[in-house]
Amino acid sequence: QTVVTQEPSFSVSPGGTVTLTCGLNSASVSTGYSPSWYQQTPGQAPRTLIYNTNTRASGVPGRFSGSILGNKAALTITGAQADDESDYYCALNVRRGVWVFGGGTKLSVL
Amino acid sequence: EVQLVESGGGLVQPGGSLRLSCAASGFTFSSYWMSWVRQAPGKGLEWVASIKEEGGDKYYVDSVKGRFTISRDNANNSLSLQMNSLRAEDTAVYYCASLRSAYWGQGTLVTVSS
Repeated sequence: QTVVTQEPSFSVSPGGTVTLTCGLNSASVSTGYSPSWYQQTPGQAPRTLIYNTNTRASGVPGRFSGSILGNKAALTITGAQADDESDYYCALNVRRGVWVFGGGTKLSVL
Repeated sequence: EVQLVESGGGLVQPGGSLRLSCAASGFTFSSYWMSWVRQAPGKGLEWVASIKEEGGDKYYVDSVKGRFTISRDNANNSLSLQMNSLRAEDTAVYYCASLRSAYWGQGTLVTVSS
């Protein structure tokens, strides 16, 4: 069974930098998995931040960036702001047509 | 402006059926794989199904195989999810999305309960 792993929670100070990661239980994450990152606040639909590893969605601030770090996909927030406090999900295209989401990371800004 | 608008959610009894629809606008719908993603109350996101651009290839999460059918009508820019033999564990907000790009709808709530 394919499992996508994310840190359950993370905290960052206002103005600080944080890197969230997205791994696979069975392999190293590469660009071939088309890693995507989504932000969700309570009661709202997910919002795409990053797709295809490092493409920023329209309207997403430049402080959000995506990359591959070692054997995982990564979302880096540089200069965190209070309204970045949200749940963050990654998704991987594990094989043709099939996607798996990670369990999400609850980010606190404090 | 890109828009994905879901409809068709509601309350249904266990074993019942429901058909969700998603109306797309503002982008070339026929050029994109499309997916349904769901989120049970208080839980994370779960991919449910995907369909290729022309509709020929379809993929499902194991828990819905044989019960759900994804389809699309490129002439009318619409995506559908036919859900049969519904179970309590199918209760969730269902989102229409293009996971290879940035497009998500606002979701429609499906509640399976007697």
